[in-house]
Amino acid sequence: QSVLAQPPSVSAAPGQRVTISCSGSSSTIGNNYVSWYRQLPGTAPKLLIYDNNQRPSGIPDRFSGSKSGTSATLGITGLQTGDEADYYCGTWDSSLSVVLFGGGTKLTVL
Amino acid sequence: QEQLVQSGAEVKKPGASVKVSCQASGFTFTNHDINWVRQASGQGLEWMGWMNPNNGNTGYAQKFQGRVTMTRDTSISTAYMELSRLTSEDTAVYYCARDTHGDRRPDDAFDIWGQGTMVTVSS
Repeated sequence: QSVLAQPPSVSAAPGQRVTISCSGSSSTIGNNYVSWYRQLPGTAPKLLIYDNNQRPSGIPDRFSGSKSGTSATLGITGLQTGDEADYYCGTWDSSLSVVLFGGGTKLTVL
Repeated sequence: QEQLVQSGAEVKKPGASVKVSCQASGFTFTNHDINWVRQASGQGLEWMGWMNPNNGNTGYAQKFQGRVTMTRDTSISTAYMELSRLTSEDTAVYYCARDTHGDRRPDDAFDIWGQGTMVTVSS
């Protein structure tokens, strides 16, 4: 069980909006930047959001990130079938001195 | 373009060691930490540690202390991760990943990932 808690799965219809939560603690999300990654089957993770809410070059503004206290949220609008993937949050654990990832959330676009 | 290219799949027997390489191109290798992350089949991502290619400094997750060694060869812009005393629990895809900003922040994101190296441990 990961120290960063994500829902195992979420689903929504094409064109809709979905959010994925990531819950941590003061030693993780509460005092460190959060990043989000998307992983398609059989491929390496891809960075979607860094520093809580920043998008790398090439990531569309359909993807957004936010953080409040010890939780973070990834938002995806205008869902497409190509968005079906596993999504992971990540941050540093200041107490354990490790990078942590959430357990992952499988997004299904119905 | 900026990329990390890893070595090919490995099959090892229990108790053996494996060394995976990760060659950088398109950016200055010594400006960014290289991290190693592994993923067992159907499981999530597990961080193993980091290495500063500029000075060779490393930091390992406690779970892997004593079993993992991260090194580099700056002449060929290549990072290495060696894992010893392998068991079946080490069967996984191993990824190298670059930190985004190059400012050595522990909570920095990973913006460039290698394609992954499958390591299978089986007798």
